[in-house]
Amino acid sequence: KAGVTQTPRYLIKTRGQQVTLSCSPISGHRSVSWYQQTPGQGLQFLFEYFSETQRNKGNFPGRFSGRQFSNSRSEMNVSTLELGDSALYLCASSLWQGSNEQFFGPGTRLTVL
Amino acid sequence: GESVGLHLPTLSVQEGDNSIINCAYSNSASDYFIWYKQESGKGPQFIIDIRSNMDKRQGQRVTVLLNKTVKHLSLQIAATQPGDSAVYFCAEMGSGIQGAQKLVFGQGTRLTINP
Repeated sequence: KAGVTQTPRYLIKTRGQQVTLSCSPISGHRSVSWYQQTPGQGLQFLFEYFSETQRNKGNFPGRFSGRQFSNSRSEMNVSTLELGDSALYLCASSLWQGSNEQFFGPGTRLTVL
Repeated sequence: GESVGLHLPTLSVQEGDNSIINCAYSNSASDYFIWYKQESGKGPQFIIDIRSNMDKRQGQRVTVLLNKTVKHLSLQIAATQPGDSAVYFCAEMGSGIQGAQKLVFGQGTRLTINP
């Protein structure tokens, strides 16, 4: 069974731009969660989608948004990029909402210049 | 508030020895505590979890201990191997908006296995 895939793997943007990251969950998994990982803040929860609906969100500004499609694939968008948005963005899928066992993708490394 | 933290940022052990990674948590209302392993260039990987009403759970070469009195969680890895070198995160399943559960991760401990 294929794992979680994320595209692109690396991305360089400049301040003020926007970016869209994509995540394809494991086949059959209906929940997709997004995390931001930085050396200073560690792994922080962004939001979780299940059945195309946002079920939970973390403490991030409204510039961070996401969506989930009917095939469970998910995208997250960051608008008006700031230098501090440079991070590894991880997507994780699970069978159900709020699962302990989440399967992470390799992440998208975003660098904001 | 909710926070999960680790006592030590780095840990080095000899191959074949046992290792213990510690974690402190503050949210005593969490139902589950979980350990994840992250190897370089990869996303975190689930290792083992423990429900809050348990104090010990064993897996393959790993044991998780939960001490709710002092809000302490530990991961023991027996007979360490080079492949165990990674960053280990403890996490708790805490409540987000409208009571929905979300994973709250600690800062991580880097474990290095020396040959």
